[in-house]
Amino acid sequence: DVKVTQSSRYLVKRTGEKVFLECVQDMDHENMFWYRQDPGLGLRLIYFSYDVKMKEKGDIPEGYSVSREKKERFSLILESASTNQTSMYLCASSFTRSTDTQYFGPGTRLTVL
Amino acid sequence: SQQGEEDPQALSIQEGENATMNCSYKTSINNLQWYRQNSGRGLVHLILIRSNEREKHSGRLRVTLDTSKKSSSLLITASRAADTASYFCATDAAYGQNFVFGPGTRLSVLP
Repeated sequence: DVKVTQSSRYLVKRTGEKVFLECVQDMDHENMFWYRQDPGLGLRLIYFSYDVKMKEKGDIPEGYSVSREKKERFSLILESASTNQTSMYLCASSFTRSTDTQYFGPGTRLTVL
Repeated sequence: SQQGEEDPQALSIQEGENATMNCSYKTSINNLQWYRQNSGRGLVHLILIRSNEREKHSGRLRVTLDTSKKSSSLLITASRAADTASYFCATDAAYGQNFVFGPGTRLSVLP
């Protein structure tokens, strides 16, 4: 079974702090994704990566950056956390680009005070 | 506006009843997928239907796709309390790069 893990289930940070969310997948998937999920808005794509050291902006990249130094690991970085970044963050991976199933991690609920 | 939108937003039924959720989308697609999310957890893939398919079954799940109406439905038969979750459709736009998820339908199955 594919396993996607995220570094924390719950995280509380203060405004202005630098926040790292890490995601690791164990199925040698090419593609990895970061979403945020807010009530009534569904999942919105922040960034995605199709290869090591490669990244592309999703629908809402402002205020975020990402890093993919190794194939299995995809990190989401909030350079200076703000209260409007309080959300559930979901990482996913997939084998092919767009038409394949995405496998999700359990999510990180981030609260920025 | 979102590519996929589920309807209804929330649904409450008794155990043993059938549950039907609908998804509408705006542009041509390659495929459409349904995912389930238990409270506070990640999403789990349920079923994928391609644009050239009209109906697909998986256990108690039945998915239909009507490309002329740009809509899909997910039917869960003989529902169980364990089916209580949010259900999302995700569309892979024919000319896009990534999935677009709708806001979801929250299903409550009462024992």
